[in-house]
Amino acid sequence: AQSVTQPDIHITVSEGASLELRCNYSYGATPYLFWYVQSPGQGLQLLLKYFSGDTLVQGIKGFEAEFKRSQSSFNLRKPSVHWSDAAEYFCAVGRSQGNLIFGKGTKLSVKP
Amino acid sequence: DAGVIQSPRHEVTEMGQEVTLRCKPISGHDYLFWYRQTMMRGLELLIYFNNNVPIDDSGMPEDRFSAKMPNASFSTLKIQPSEPRDSAVYFCASRTWSSGGAGELFFGEGSRLTVL
Repeated sequence: AQSVTQPDIHITVSEGASLELRCNYSYGATPYLFWYVQSPGQGLQLLLKYFSGDTLVQGIKGFEAEFKRSQSSFNLRKPSVHWSDAAEYFCAVGRSQGNLIFGKGTKLSVKP
Repeated sequence: DAGVIQSPRHEVTEMGQEVTLRCKPISGHDYLFWYRQTMMRGLELLIYFNNNVPIDDSGMPEDRFSAKMPNASFSTLKIQPSEPRDSAVYFCASRTWSSGGAGELFFGEGSRLTVL
């Protein structure tokens, strides 16, 4: 069965430090992969997506993610975190039937 | 352009009462999804529609939950009777068809339900 694992429930980084959020997926075919961000009290906003082609994808707000088929991973990165990046981040895999399966999320806190 | 619109944003009700959550998808989107978010279970897909037809309702917890999409611009999720364990944030999302069947979901801001 398709699944998404985000092993880190909560991560704290200092402002200006680099960030990497981990995501592993289980999917039988070529996956469609997504990262969403959720600010408190808000819905989910798409950061970036991977369908095919270049395995390093750029998104909004300075985020990027790299698809590694051999590791079944799609980790999210940002070279320098800003206080406004504090939020919850969700990795998702798209099924051919059209819906998305989400990981449990990683909450990011940013220290000044 | 207006995004996905959900109402109410907050609902507090007593156990046993009927709850109706509403969603207006983005115009032109032909897929509509209902998700439920809780601390324990994360984001769970409840049901989704394509061209107003329910495609997969296997995530609907039990018969107390029902969803309808009478037209392309409106959907409801109803819980009758409600129970405290139904307390959660319910999200509606929509998207268009894209190659391969997967594409970006656009989410509403959610309806936070509290059942006392």
